[in-house]
Amino acid sequence: GAGVSQSPRYKVAKRGQDVALRCDPISGHVSLFWYQQALGQGPEFLTYFQNEAQLDKSGLPSDRFFAERPEGSVSTLKIQRTQQEDSAVYLCASRLRRERGTQYFGPGTRLLVL
Amino acid sequence: DQQVKQNSPSLSVQEGRISILNCDYTNSMFDYFLWYKKYPAEGPTFLISISSIKDKNEDGRFTVFLNKSAKHLSLHIVPSQPGDSAVYFCAASANTGNQFYFGTGTSLTVIP
Repeated sequence: GAGVSQSPRYKVAKRGQDVALRCDPISGHVSLFWYQQALGQGPEFLTYFQNEAQLDKSGLPSDRFFAERPEGSVSTLKIQRTQQEDSAVYLCASRLRRERGTQYFGPGTRLLVL
Repeated sequence: DQQVKQNSPSLSVQEGRISILNCDYTNSMFDYFLWYKKYPAEGPTFLISISSIKDKNEDGRFTVFLNKSAKHLSLHIVPSQPGDSAVYFCAASANTGNQFYFGTGTSLTVIP
């Protein structure tokens, strides 16, 4: 496809369950970002990859959150032992180059932790 | 602490009139700004950007104005169309632009 895709689109998890969210960026895009968007808020930065290197993970809220992009394309955001406060939309974005430029967002994964 | 603020949660405008969406920021290191549009159940879509070396950037019906001294930017949509009804987010970054800070969004309704 031409755009950023994310799966699953919706995920319901029981508190304490581990979840994995997938992002397929636009082919050839060097940079990949993960954001968390709580209800009524703007997206908040979680982490940034340049190819397979995770260059910034300062936005990850706790050590329960882990992201990887092992081959520099598909990325997975994993949340261990989910808590209710993890309920949010998780957005992935990719960018063609390393610096500046437009970030193209996927549709997001809506996570609900019960 | 919110570094990018959109103080108007919602705005209603008649079709054909001008829509003005405002955004304020606190970090003087921000030098690159973007506006995104978001429909329900979709990811944000890029609209227009501006760097701090400019004070205006225009793309069709969309114009972004930047006032660095006031740390304020605005998005003008002229003429407004019903299809413009969406939530608009402004975002800002500093230096290499690898971390973007988003406002909380303004929901625009264009009334036919």
